[in-house]
Amino acid sequence: KAGVTQTPRYLIKTRGQQVTLSCSPISGHRSVSWYQQTPGQGLQFLFEYFSETQRNKGNFPGRFSGRQFSNSRSEMNVSTLELGDSALYLCASSETGSNQPQHFGDGTRLSIL
Amino acid sequence: QKEVEQDPGPLSVPEGAIVSLNCTYSNSAFQYFMWYRQYSRKGPELLMYTYSSGNKEDGRFTAQVDKSSKYISLFIRDSQPSDSATYLCAMSAIGTYKYIFGTGTRLKVLA
Repeated sequence: KAGVTQTPRYLIKTRGQQVTLSCSPISGHRSVSWYQQTPGQGLQFLFEYFSETQRNKGNFPGRFSGRQFSNSRSEMNVSTLELGDSALYLCASSETGSNQPQHFGDGTRLSIL
Repeated sequence: QKEVEQDPGPLSVPEGAIVSLNCTYSNSAFQYFMWYRQYSRKGPELLMYTYSSGNKEDGRFTAQVDKSSKYISLFIRDSQPSDSATYLCAMSAIGTYKYIFGTGTRLKVLA
């Protein structure tokens, strides 16, 4: 089985721009979660989707948003980028998300200039 | 105070040593506990998944959960240089669809 695929792997943006990141879960997995990883804060939960519905959300500003499509693929969007948004953004999938182990992609490294 | 605390290390051990990695937590609702390994420039890789208290063994890895002390551990036997990575603990409460991660412990196994 193919693992979780995230695209692109690297992105460089400038302040004020917006960005969209993509995640394709493991085949058959319907739950997708997004995390932000920084050296100081570690992995912080952004949001979780199941069957195109957001079931939980972390403590991030409204500039961070996401969606899930009917084929379980997911995107996250960050608008009005700030320098502090520079991070590794990780996507994880599981079958139903209900306390099941998550499997991660290799992330998108976002750098804001 | 963070919900999950993990010593950042780095922890340096000689090859063949037994490694002990630990996390403490404050939320008594956590029931599901996981350990991940993350190499540089890669995503976290699931190593162990346990429910509630007790021990679980998989090859050279043993995970322990002590819910009364709110303390979990990962033991690595016969450590190898290839085990050099950052180890992350994660936990969740029933029905929250949300996992809380420790900040990770950097491990270096010296040949």
